[in-house]
Amino acid sequence: DVKVTQSSRYLVKRTGEKVFLECVQDMDHENMFWYRQDPGLGLRLIYFSYDVKMKEKGDIPEGYSVSREKKERFSLILESASTNQTSMYLCASSGGGGGYGYTFGSGTRLTVV
Amino acid sequence: SQQGEEDPQALSIQEGENATMNCSYKTSINNLQWYRQNSGRGLVHLILIRSNEREKHSGRLRVTLDTSKKSSSLLITASRAADTASYFCATDANNAGNMLTFGGGTRLMVKP
Repeated sequence: DVKVTQSSRYLVKRTGEKVFLECVQDMDHENMFWYRQDPGLGLRLIYFSYDVKMKEKGDIPEGYSVSREKKERFSLILESASTNQTSMYLCASSGGGGGYGYTFGSGTRLTVV
Repeated sequence: SQQGEEDPQALSIQEGENATMNCSYKTSINNLQWYRQNSGRGLVHLILIRSNEREKHSGRLRVTLDTSKKSSSLLITASRAADTASYFCATDANNAGNMLTFGGGTRLMVKP
């Protein structure tokens, strides 16, 4: 069963900490994405990557960075966590070219205290 | 930025009834997709309809697309309590698979 795996379902971190959210896919997909989901705001794209070592900013990249050293792994980094980064974080992947849906991970609910 | 906007924001029906959710979008698209999200979980891809298609079926799901009105609808027939979830439309504007924009979602509750 193909899937996208996010390393943590729930995470609690302190303000100012550096936080790593890991995402691994086993479908050999070129594209990987990080979204955050907040009530009333829907899904907002933070960053995406269309190839190893490539990254593109989404709609809300401020306060985040990403790393894609291997095709199957896409990491989201919160350089200095703040309370306004408390959210549900969703990783997704898709194959190259259009016409295919995204496969999502189960999500990481991050709370910054 | 949100491309798709779902209507209604919330819908409550009885088991066995049909549920219809609508999505409107603003720019030209190559395809439109519908996703489902159970509470606190990731999204699951349901169905994709291309811009040159007008209707598509998958089991109890029926999706229509009207590109002249920039709108789509998702119909779930004979709903079940297990269909309770949030449903999102998403538009793919460049057909490269790397820029899908999601709407705000419709929360569907199916009462047993």
